[in-house]
Amino acid sequence: SFELTQPPSVSVSPGQTARITCSGDELGEKYVAWYQQKPGQSPVVVIHQDNKRPSGIPERFSGSNSGTTATLTISGTQAMDDGDYYCQAWESSTVVFGGGTKLTVL
Amino acid sequence: QVQLQESGTGLVKTSGTLSLICAVSGVSVNNNNWWSWVRQPPGKGLEWIGEIYRGGKTNYNPSLKTRVTISMDMSKNQFSLRLTSVTAADTAVYFCASLAPSPQYFFDSWGQGTLVTVSS
Repeated sequence: SFELTQPPSVSVSPGQTARITCSGDELGEKYVAWYQQKPGQSPVVVIHQDNKRPSGIPERFSGSNSGTTATLTISGTQAMDDGDYYCQAWESSTVVFGGGTKLTVL
Repeated sequence: QVQLQESGTGLVKTSGTLSLICAVSGVSVNNNNWWSWVRQPPGKGLEWIGEIYRGGKTNYNPSLKTRVTISMDMSKNQFSLRLTSVTAADTAVYFCASLAPSPQYFFDSWGQGTLVTVSS
């Protein structure tokens, strides 16, 4: 079955660039979305279709996808970017989520 | 603006059936989106349960397929989840969500989530 693998945690200093990866077989041939989730809240999409940013999402969020790895990049990370991030793709009529990455801004 | 609201029993007995409803407002469930259920056990990640499309076509997570039924009521603009033979492992926050259609396939709207606890 198709699986997406994310690092459990990523740490970054305020103002620096955070990169969260998501790996899966031939992932570059599928569209990937990224969600941010804060404690007690529903997930919010920050990137869809690999690199499209919904309205209201800051420009510091960007995405790329090639080969077997998709990457969410947060430039000039701010304290408010702290939270859990999940990648998601669609494969053979099923939705697949990565295991999630806890981003700590310290 | 699309809004989704989950409702249902918050406490289900072991081996019983979990039933939830998602009321949709701001858009018809008869549109092009897939209407989905996603769950999140306490302290864990997101797990897709399944989805339904207008006309009743469904797709389910293979790991839950034998226990899950998702249905739609267009007259009430809502869709439902039924999960049978539940165990403690089914304790989770259950979200309903709207999945944008092909080729986008991303969740563009979410409900607030509802906690369902399975206990004997």
